[in-house]
Order: sequence, then C-alpha cells, then structure tokens
Amino acid sequence: QVQMKETGPGLVQTTQTLSVTCTVSGFSLTSYGVHWVRQAPGKGLEWMGIIWGDGSTNYNSALKSRLSISRDTSKSQVFLTMNSLQTDDTAVYYCVNWELDYWGQGVMVTVSS
Amino acid sequence: DVVLTQTPPTLSATIGQSVSISCRSSQSLLHSNGNTYLHWLLQRPGQSPQLLIYLVSRLESGVPNRFSGSGSGTDFTLKISGVEAEDLGVYYCVQGTHAPLTFGSGTKLEIK
Repeated sequence: QVQMKETGPGLVQTTQTLSVTCTVSGFSLTSYGVHWVRQAPGKGLEWMGIIWGDGSTNYNSALKSRLSISRDTSKSQVFLTMNSLQTDDTAVYYCVNWELDYWGQGVMVTVSS
Repeated sequence: DVVLTQTPPTLSATIGQSVSISCRSSQSLLHSNGNTYLHWLLQRPGQSPQLLIYLVSRLESGVPNRFSGSGSGTDFTLKISGVEAEDLGVYYCVQGTHAPLTFGSGTKLEIK
C-alpha cells in the first residue's frame, strides 16, 4: 500500500530556508517520480517541482532560483529545500506520487518575521 | 504554461441533482503519444486532494460511478450524476500533457 508523509517545521522566519521531508512507502523512488505541490491558505494548488525515478528534476520556473528537490533512496525519502522565504510562501506543502493518486496529509508551514 | 479555466467557480446543488463542471485549456492536451493527461481532483474540507478521474474519463479505483469525465482537445467536463452530501468540496482539473503540471483554479461545490 502506497503511503506518503510529509514532515517539516511549522514556523520559519522570513529570509530563512525551508526543509520538508517526504517519506514514502509502497513503491520505489528509483521507479517513480514524486511531485511537490503547495497550497496557500484559501487558495488553489501550485505545482512546485518533481524528482523523477532517474533522479532528474524539473521545477516551476517561478520558484526555480530558490528551490531544490533531492532524495535518499535508501531511506525512501524526498527532500524539498527552498531558500529566501517570504510571507507569501506560507502554505500547506504536499508530496504526491507521479500519477497524482497518492497524496500526503500535507504539512502547514507559516513564514513569519 | 498551459492555463486551465474552470467554470463555474462555485456551484450549489441539492442532493440528487446532477451537475457539471467545465475545464477549458489554453492549448490542446492531446499528447504526441495519443494520451490526454487531463485529470480531476476533489479536495474535501480539511483534507488532501484525491484523484477522481484520470486520462479524461477513467474512474480512479474506489470512486463512485456517479462521477464521470468527458472531453477532448481543449474542452473537458466532470459530471456528477446525483450529488450526495459527501461530494461537497473543491474540484480541480489538472493537466500533465505539457510541462509544467498546471491546475485549474477550482470549483467549489456546496450542498443546499
């Protein structure tokens, strides 16, 4: 059974760096990709990026300069790192499997000065 | 980037009523491999989104068959035949034909 779970800080200061971990089970990261999607409070869904099974990545062009997605296949973990945070980065951050049929519960991150 | 325009933004329905949501794309979603990567999600209040329909019309496992999807090219529709109370939430279309993945702005379904 596929499961995805995000863990991360609830609060981050402006200008600091966000790190969120997605731990997956039920499939291999070397076979399937994992997306990161975020949702600001009361807003819609925004695709952030993906790490593919071969380890390559693609990013939302609006976030590309601040965003990095990596993984540790031995731990079945995918990492999202985003720097220079601002208050409008406040959102729920989701990891999602490549086919969009398994979503984590999301982690709420508040960016505050 | 592909822009997906969903209408209406909000929808109010009674139990048992049939409703439709439209999703129009700024460009054709037919991939060169013959697939059309247009999917529908439902986000119930306080929950993560869940996949309802994939590849335009294929029902995700466990999703009730009152949900159906149709369309081609740039015009797509999600239909709920007989709304039930548990169907309330926000519906999103999402496309994966053209990078980057993009989402519609959502349609909020309210139950009268």
